[in-house]
Amino acid sequence: ELKVEQNPLFLSMQEGKNYTIYCNYSTTSDRLYWYRQDPGKSLESLFVLLSNGAVKQEGRLMASLDTKARLSTLHITAAVHDLSATYFCAVDGSSGGSNYKLTFGKGTLLTVNP
Amino acid sequence: NAGVMQNPRHLVRRRGQEARLRCSPMKGHSHVYWYRQLPEEGLKFMVYLQKENIIDESGMPKERFSAEFPKEGPSILRIQQVVRGDSAAYFCASSREGGGYEQYFGPGTRLTVT
Repeated sequence: ELKVEQNPLFLSMQEGKNYTIYCNYSTTSDRLYWYRQDPGKSLESLFVLLSNGAVKQEGRLMASLDTKARLSTLHITAAVHDLSATYFCAVDGSSGGSNYKLTFGKGTLLTVNP
Repeated sequence: NAGVMQNPRHLVRRRGQEARLRCSPMKGHSHVYWYRQLPEEGLKFMVYLQKENIIDESGMPKERFSAEFPKEGPSILRIQQVVRGDSAAYFCASSREGGGYEQYFGPGTRLTVT
């Protein structure tokens, strides 16, 4: 069974600081996704990472993927309050033949304080 | 181009009643997925459907839950005789093709069982 672990689960940061969220997964997979969820809202797709060494950046967020280590990171640079949200990573079940089935981590609740 | 539509957005049911959740995929999408999010948890896969076919329902509880995606109309997730433990957010996603194509999520239906 594919397992996805995120850490930390809770992250409180000050504006202007940098931090990294980690996502480990247990079996090989073709795709890794990062999503943002605001309270009571749906999931907003941030990044789709497809290959080893992939790095994508959007604004203050940068995601990377190491398929050999089965690890993805979401790095936050110079955090601002607007980044406060819950961030999820998700992996598809391609190694088990069910690449349509996303398995999610428990999420990281990020709070950026002024 | 409208996104994935779900209704109702909020649904309150008493124990023992039935809940019907509807999902209209994005235009041009014929693959639908349902996920459930319990409080402070990540999303968990429930079922994958194509028009008139259930492809994978491995994440569905064996009793009381059913899903359909008819030739015409929205996909329906039906929960019979709801219990308090069914209280959750139910998200629908759709994709243009199956097999790993990116899934786009709807706004969710938040079910509360009293």
